Amino acid sequence: DSGVTQTPKHLITATGQRVTLRCSPRSGDLSVYWYQQSLDQGLQFLIQYYNGEERAKGNILERFSAQQFPDLHSELNLSSLELGDSALYFCASSPETARLETQYFGPGTRLLVL
Amino acid sequence: DAKTTQPNSMESNEEEPVHLPCNHSTISGTDYIHWYRQLPSQGPEYVIHGLTSNVNNRMASLAIAEDRKSSTLILHRATLRDAAVYYCILRGQAGGAGSYQLTFGKGTKLSVIP
Repeated sequence: DSGVTQTPKHLITATGQRVTLRCSPRSGDLSVYWYQQSLDQGLQFLIQYYNGEERAKGNILERFSAQQFPDLHSELNLSSLELGDSALYFCASSPETARLETQYFGPGTRLLVL
Repeated sequence: DAKTTQPNSMESNEEEPVHLPCNHSTISGTDYIHWYRQLPSQGPEYVIHGLTSNVNNRMASLAIAEDRKSSTLILHRATLRDAAVYYCILRGQAGGAGSYQLTFGKGTKLSVIP
């Protein structure tokens, strides 16, 4: 158990809908990362937040957005969903934002868009 | 980002040592070599990292070539629980200050035969 929790575990929705994925980092970790894992693209970095502020963006679509709240939990919002958005979404956390820090991953949310 | 090359898959017998290779011929002097693994239906987990010297921890050993253009993750006695995808990742200051996401390749899928 990494100490990172993600809800829900599974999500099934329809195209065009909007969903919110939630991540609670390990206690005390200030940095949260979101990754997407699909069969064709593998594990890809989406976005990073550090202590409430956006720090870096990766291959995140404009239809996707995220935020980190004062209690340090983070939410990833996916809107106008398409079939291709079906994937596993992982969040990871680390204490700070140093380059050598281990990232601790949650169990993921499996999103299926029908 | 410097790239890594790993075999797509490897097999090992249970309780035998496993050597997982990684080539990173374009590694820079400040890049650390990290290994993560992803067990089936789980998020990635940290295994080990190093810069120049060989490293050991409770999970594995990391052997780094003298020219740093390749490295080998060593599992001393493979167990069924070690069946996973193993990712070799170079971590440097990519993407600007404060941006330390993990860049995953395709990894090596390790199968352990009872």
